[in-house]
Amino acid sequence: NAGVMQNPRHLVRRRGQEARLRCSPMKGHSHVYWYRQLPEEGLKFMVYLQKENIIDESGMPKERFSAEFPKEGPSILRIQQVVRGDSAAYFCASSPDRELFFGSGTQLSVL
Amino acid sequence: AQRVTQPEKLLSVFKGAPVELKCNYSYSGSPELFWYVQYSRQRLQLLLRHISRESIKGFTADLNKGETSFHLKKPFAQEEDSAMYYCALSAYNTDKLIFGTGTRLQVFP
Repeated sequence: NAGVMQNPRHLVRRRGQEARLRCSPMKGHSHVYWYRQLPEEGLKFMVYLQKENIIDESGMPKERFSAEFPKEGPSILRIQQVVRGDSAAYFCASSPDRELFFGSGTQLSVL
Repeated sequence: AQRVTQPEKLLSVFKGAPVELKCNYSYSGSPELFWYVQYSRQRLQLLLRHISRESIKGFTADLNKGETSFHLKKPFAQEEDSAMYYCALSAYNTDKLIFGTGTRLQVFP
């Protein structure tokens, strides 16, 4: 079991471009969580998904951010028209129960 | 509102010294508490959870509902304990974890 896989590890975008972050959960896990870590801050919950369902998106910004977890393929966190403030580490985690297994994260840098 | 507070950004100790990483939480119900650890160049991983009541790598944590605390303790720190430590809370009947801002533990030889 390769663990939670996130790609890319590093993503550089210019302001106004779109960022797509991918997460493949551990085999057998059907729950996916996205967290964001800003410099000097802790992990902030963004969204919790199960296959084809958004369960809790209370941490997602109202605009420009969206997430999906299709029946086939990885979970995608999409950020449209990125701004400098979106620069952060984005972590994905999957879970069979309360224990979260984290990926290595994607470091997004917006120029 | 659910909140986890880790008041120390950095804790530095010498090898062999006792360690206590503080964690306080705010939640009106019955939470489930966790400690996660991130060693250098590794991914975040679960260290221990309060319902297990076990000691992992010499670390223990007791949930104190009166003080709403879940401090992480180890009697004798080792250099390999140097890492970022995050306290986290899960509200009853949810799977969402609320994390604190983390404490960096540095253990000097």
